[in-house]
Amino acid sequence: GAVVSQHPSWVICKSGTSVKIECRSLDFQATTMFWYRQFPKQSLMLMATSNEGSKATYEQGVEKDKFLINHASLTLSTLTVTSAHPEDSSFYICSAGLAGGRGNIQYFGAGTRLSVL
Amino acid sequence: AQSVTQLGSHVSVSEGALVLLRCNYSSSVPPYLFWYVQYPNQGLQLLLKYTTGATLVKGINGFEAEFKKSETSFHLTKPSAHMSDAAEYFCAVSGSGGGADGLTFGKGTHLIIQP
Repeated sequence: GAVVSQHPSWVICKSGTSVKIECRSLDFQATTMFWYRQFPKQSLMLMATSNEGSKATYEQGVEKDKFLINHASLTLSTLTVTSAHPEDSSFYICSAGLAGGRGNIQYFGAGTRLSVL
Repeated sequence: AQSVTQLGSHVSVSEGALVLLRCNYSSSVPPYLFWYVQYPNQGLQLLLKYTTGATLVKGINGFEAEFKKSETSFHLTKPSAHMSDAAEYFCAVSGSGGGADGLTFGKGTHLIIQP
């Protein structure tokens, strides 16, 4: 149980285009989803916290107009990288927390590798 | 504010030897502590967690960790390394407010198993 699916796993796009990444909790409801960014050989950095039906909360330094997050249902959150540029190339990982769960257990997707040419 | 320090970006041990991955944290509130493992091109898998109660926690794949408040540490150990343990390991901390909080991760430790 507690599977999180992230799609696509890898995307290459041209500079200036927008890319949408989906994060789905397959067998549980997630009131809260998180988006992280991981640079090569570095740690994961929290970008934003997404609660179902409300606006996402962004971490300091993360441009909310650049990284649009939508959490329309208890099983789906999307991250759209708008007008992507080469510096946005990175590994993006989402996680989902169990609704009503204790201990802040998060289940992670397999990640999306974004390469912007 | 919270932070995590993992000592040693790379740790190499022989197969069958003890694995010790170090993690120290800083937190202004009682912490929840986690260890995750990441295999190449995959997401993170939870190894174990500390929330409350017993300070020695056991996880999957024979790993365990001990929460030591006085030392602000949460080191990960495994008595006997296996080749399949080779991966990236991340220590993480969050608040214990009861709600869902984003995790603060350490920089990770790459575990290398020598045959």
